[in-house]
Amino acid sequence: EAGVAQSPRYKIIEKRQSVAFWCNPISGHATLYWYQQILGQGPKLLIQFQNNGVVDDSQLPKDRFSAERLKGVDSTLKIQPAKLEDSAVYLCASSFDLTGGVIAGYTFGSGTRLTVV
Amino acid sequence: GNSVTQMEGPVTLSEEAFLTINCTYTATGYPSLFWYVQYPGEGLQLLLKATKADDKGSNKGFEATYRKETTSFHLEKGSVQVSDSAVYFCALSDPASGGSYIPTFGRGTSLIVHP
Repeated sequence: EAGVAQSPRYKIIEKRQSVAFWCNPISGHATLYWYQQILGQGPKLLIQFQNNGVVDDSQLPKDRFSAERLKGVDSTLKIQPAKLEDSAVYLCASSFDLTGGVIAGYTFGSGTRLTVV
Repeated sequence: GNSVTQMEGPVTLSEEAFLTINCTYTATGYPSLFWYVQYPGEGLQLLLKATKADDKGSNKGFEATYRKETTSFHLEKGSVQVSDSAVYFCALSDPASGGSYIPTFGRGTSLIVHP
């Protein structure tokens, strides 16, 4: 089975610019997660989708971050405008459903490494 | 709220040494516990899991036992290899967390194995 696909792998932008990341989860996985992983730290959840609806976005900085999953399959995470502290790896993960991750774990993509200069 | 605490790294070992990475947790309900591994430049991969007290998860020679009485899930391996060098993350997913089952991760422990 194909894994979670993410693009681009790397991105370097200047502060105040905008950037977008794309994620295609495993086929049939209803639940999709975006995580931010700052160097030396564990992943921090930004937003969780169930199909095309948001389940939890309480830790998403909504003044600059947005995410959508319009058709309930692939998803886009956007930052506008970017700040220096947004430099991190952005990971996408998926699970069969909300409880599937508890039972079987989560499948992660390779991530997008963002550097804001 | 839920939290996961891991021992700080890096942990540096010689090949064939015994490995222990400590992990303790706090949770509202009865969580499932996981260990994930992250190789350089890659995403996290599920290494093993345990869904209830006294369960032992195992994979690729790694083991961890869900200890409810000590709220711990320590990762062990009897004989490490150079290829085990990676960052290891302990995580929990708590069904009591408002029904969203969002996983909570520790900060990660870097393991470096020398030949």
